[in-house]
Amino acid sequence: SQQGEEDPQALSIQEGENATMNCSYKTSINNLQWYRQNSGRGLVHLILIRSNEREKHSGRLRVTLDTSKKSSSLLITASRAADTASYFCATALIYNQGGKLIFGQGTELSVKP
Amino acid sequence: KAGVTQTPRYLIKTRGQQVTLSCSPISGHRSVSWYQQTPGQGLQFLFEYFSETQRNKGNFPGRFSGRQFSNSRSEMNVSTLELGDSALYLCASSLENLDETQYFGPGTRLLVL
Repeated sequence: SQQGEEDPQALSIQEGENATMNCSYKTSINNLQWYRQNSGRGLVHLILIRSNEREKHSGRLRVTLDTSKKSSSLLITASRAADTASYFCATALIYNQGGKLIFGQGTELSVKP
Repeated sequence: KAGVTQTPRYLIKTRGQQVTLSCSPISGHRSVSWYQQTPGQGLQFLFEYFSETQRNKGNFPGRFSGRQFSNSRSEMNVSTLELGDSALYLCASSLENLDETQYFGPGTRLLVL
């Protein structure tokens, strides 16, 4: 089963509103990463939050991490139509020097002008 | 720096054929990983390469293989194509491992008829 689970699967809001997406994971992590994907294109890295951090900001993005609940949330404030995309959380399972990067199913965000 | 590039961008193949996809990482990045993205299964880890060595492989059949060259460029090969191999194939690069920011290419969209 996947390491990351996200909700909601889809979110539709108006421009100017805030959007919150949640991610849960199953094992211990060193960090958690959030990515954005526009309509079947490559992923763009948004934020990496380390396990010893509780909150991190980048522009209109705010990410929180609760390692006791094994969950993270991504908040986009004052959303714009250009924020319409799919958002994924990802965690790395590192072992034998290598590992796997495991993605959640993603949240599809639609921001209506 | 130039970003991650993938070639070709689009491919149409028929069942039973084989295909080779190429990925050129960001200069200086030694870790290259590959992912398959489909509507049903989402983003799934295929394998990761570092210094010409495969460090880990996801849960895919042996028809999926890859390699990395001394300049860190990577190729993945899928033999005996099946209809279910139709997907967006993404590669990503990073400096050392999966536990840090990944930089993704635009992907190769493969359609198997």
